[in-house]
Amino acid sequence: DAGVTQSPTHLIKTRGQQVTLRCSPKSGHDTVSWYQQALGQGPQFIFQYYEEEERQRGNFPDRFSGHQFPNYSSELNVNALLLGDSALYLCASSSGLGVSNQPQHFGDGTRLSIL
Amino acid sequence: GESVGLHLPTLSVQEGDNSIINCAYSNSASDYFIWYKQESGKGPQFIIDIRSNMDKRQGQRVTVLLNKTVKHLSLQIAATQPGDSAVYFCAEKTSGSARQLTFGSGTQLTVLP
Repeated sequence: DAGVTQSPTHLIKTRGQQVTLRCSPKSGHDTVSWYQQALGQGPQFIFQYYEEEERQRGNFPDRFSGHQFPNYSSELNVNALLLGDSALYLCASSSGLGVSNQPQHFGDGTRLSIL
Repeated sequence: GESVGLHLPTLSVQEGDNSIINCAYSNSASDYFIWYKQESGKGPQFIIDIRSNMDKRQGQRVTVLLNKTVKHLSLQIAATQPGDSAVYFCAEKTSGSARQLTFGSGTQLTVLP
């Protein structure tokens, strides 16, 4: 049973570029959340997708956008990259918004470095 | 300005001893709490969760205690093993906020041989 998978594992970009990160949720999960984790800190919530719509958003600028596909996989896009966007980007999946509290399961992330 | 990485709280224990990792949460409206373990180069791994209508929950070698009066959460690990060495995060979910988790700053647990 495959867990959450993310690609690529590492990425190097320069300031001003754009990047797309990808996530496949755990089998049976339909909700995907994205988090940013700076070095030495806990993950920070970016946004969450369910039924191909953004359902909730954290305190991140519009440069951060996303998409969810009919097969529940998701993409995170970041435009006009800044040095401060260097971080580990984590994807987490869970089952349906209407289901009682269940843990989110995380992938191993994409390490994004901005030069 | 320049950003500086936070220095994680650390806890060192002898192999075989019990570990207690503490977490203070911020929102009295939070109704669900999770402990995650994160090893170097990996994503957070689910350990145990607890709902706000409980004050204790036990898993395999782990116990989570919740004190809503003082907004405090703890994770107890019995007979700590070298494989338990990692950063441990508590996370809270606010009632009505779907699946958004708010994470604490983490504790680095080191198990000494």
